Amino acid sequence: GQQVMQIPQYQHVQEGEDFTTYCNSSTTLSNIQWYKQRPGGHPVFLIQLVKSGEVKKQKRLTFQFGEAKKNSSLHITATQTTDVGTYFCAGISGGSNYKLTFGKGTLLTVNP
Amino acid sequence: DAGITQSPRHKVTETGTPVTLRCHQTENHRYMYWYRQDPGHGLRLIHYSYGVKDTDKGEVSDGYSVSRSKTEDFLLTLESATSSQTSVYFCAISEFQGDTEAFFGQGTRLTVV
Repeated sequence: GQQVMQIPQYQHVQEGEDFTTYCNSSTTLSNIQWYKQRPGGHPVFLIQLVKSGEVKKQKRLTFQFGEAKKNSSLHITATQTTDVGTYFCAGISGGSNYKLTFGKGTLLTVNP
Repeated sequence: DAGITQSPRHKVTETGTPVTLRCHQTENHRYMYWYRQDPGHGLRLIHYSYGVKDTDKGEVSDGYSVSRSKTEDFLLTLESATSSQTSVYFCAISEFQGDTEAFFGQGTRLTVV
């Protein structure tokens, strides 16, 4: 079945440093979504990418979807303590079952 | 936040007992999902529903059953709870299947002793 792999599993940075998490799928994805989960909270939708090579920005966050639609990345510039949490990618492959498959997530901690 | 409520929020139960978790939504979204979250495993889909009385299995459905008799309610039942089912359970809803954002409930922390 479809697998979505995410690296790294953990990342600790000093406040002000950049952060990147990567997501790779074993199959071509119809789209990819990114979610953030604060400690003790629930996942919250950040963005969806649909087009090959798509790049979207939300303030300090930059999201990319690979040309082959099998990988994606989330880059945070100049991290802040408010960025702490686990970032998940979730992919959907085509076919009759359009189910969201989540990566295992990257836990980001920020040292002030 | 989307109108999605999970109950109970916390539960401790004994091995072998049946347990039912409830997800209630006020958004009238067609699709509803149950995920479990465990350290090192991320979010894994248990079952999902694409309409009233229409459900399908996810990747970790063994030991779980679901029912959806009304649009707003999606129930997850552990027929005979085991310690391996100790987890945090999240319900999610979406208006369309998979290609729109999913809204998650607050989660239910279930401990099986």
